[in-house]
Amino acid sequence: SQQGEEDPQALSIQEGENATMNCSYKTSINNLQWYRQNSGRGLVHLILIRSNEREKHSGRLRVTLDTSKKSSSLLITASRAADTASYFCATVSGNTPLVFGKGTRLSVIA
Amino acid sequence: NAGVTQTPKFQVLKTGQSMTLQCAQDMNHEYMSWYRQDPGMGLRLIHYSVGAGITDQGEVPNGYNVSRSTTEDFPLRLLSAAPSQTSVYFCASSYSYGEAFFGQGTRLTVV
Repeated sequence: SQQGEEDPQALSIQEGENATMNCSYKTSINNLQWYRQNSGRGLVHLILIRSNEREKHSGRLRVTLDTSKKSSSLLITASRAADTASYFCATVSGNTPLVFGKGTRLSVIA
Repeated sequence: NAGVTQTPKFQVLKTGQSMTLQCAQDMNHEYMSWYRQDPGMGLRLIHYSVGAGITDQGEVPNGYNVSRSTTEDFPLRLLSAAPSQTSVYFCASSYSYGEAFFGQGTRLTVV
């Protein structure tokens, strides 16, 4: 069964605004990763955060992890039209590969 | 750099036909996986491999076979296609369970 659950399912914002997506998961994890998918194409890795980390930054991306609440958030600052995509969280637990959530569809309106 | 290459990009099958989806990677990754993506369902794991000669089942393995004879290749076989297997299939590879690299997908329609 799917581990991660993103919230909201869809998000529409104006260019320049910040976008926040949340992910909740069920079991303990080794790491949590965020991916972007443009319109049915392959997924692209954005950022990985390990279970002993609480926050990580990469360019305009900020990811937080709260293992006590089994949740993570992805913040995209100063959104651009090119950020329009689906965003997925995925978790790694034990010796199993990535388990994905259902994703958040982000629309950034110019 | 080719990364992860999937072929074909598109395929239409008749119910009951068999076919093999090809996946090759040139990054010397030990870990490879197959996922299917259906509308509103995210990606679900079909089969995975942690090295040549080693494969295991994921969440939705029924109707699919895999083998891993080389590090580079991880083909997915549909034994007898069914309309329920209409989906987009993605292959991924990684070094251990870190960042995964995905192919561009195979869009399969079973009629």
